[in-house]
Amino acid sequence: EVQLVESGGSVVRPGGSLRLSCTASGFTFGDFGMSWVRQAPGKGLEWVSSINWNGGITSYGDSVKGRFTISRDNAKKSLFLQMNSLRVEDTALYFCARGEFYFDFWGQGILVTVSS
Amino acid sequence: EIVLTQSPGTLSLSPGERVTLSCRASQSVSSDSLAWYQQKPGQAPRVLIYGASSRATGIPHRFSGRGSGTEFTLSISRLEPEDFAVYYCQQYGRSRTFGQGTKVEIK
Repeated sequence: EVQLVESGGSVVRPGGSLRLSCTASGFTFGDFGMSWVRQAPGKGLEWVSSINWNGGITSYGDSVKGRFTISRDNAKKSLFLQMNSLRVEDTALYFCARGEFYFDFWGQGILVTVSS
Repeated sequence: EIVLTQSPGTLSLSPGERVTLSCRASQSVSSDSLAWYQQKPGQAPRVLIYGASSRATGIPHRFSGRGSGTEFTLSISRLEPEDFAVYYCQQYGRSRTFGQGTKVEIK
């Protein structure tokens, strides 16, 4: 069974940093691209970032470009999102998802709250 | 950026009815790179359709996707009680963007 479990969410001040992690199981992690998608409270889905199978290709949504960095460790079956210069509008539930282009399995999400 | 506009915003329907949801792109979506997702309250989204018309694994045949270029639709042939949810389209032909969602609610 495919499982994706996010961790690292927290309350952080504007301008602060946070690193999210996603641990995968139930599939060959290194064979798949991975992504982060977020959902602000009561709002729709917003694509954040994607990474290809070996980490050689990364892409970002305009709202996070230059502030967030996606990375992966295939040996540890883990996906990461380093978030810097956080803004109030980054407050959201962050989902880890399998797939570089469309997303066929999702974690349950981890809450990031940016507030003073 | 390709903007996806979904319509209508909300649909009030009864179980057993047929429904068609619309997703319009601001530019042509290359290679029919469009997916549909279903999200229920408190749950992660679930992919229904990818490549505009291919059903994902385990998705019932009552769900079907059509379209190309800038016009795409998701149809549900007969609404089951578990189909009442929010539906999102997403394009992955140029970067990735989601539509704002269509809520299908019980009438």
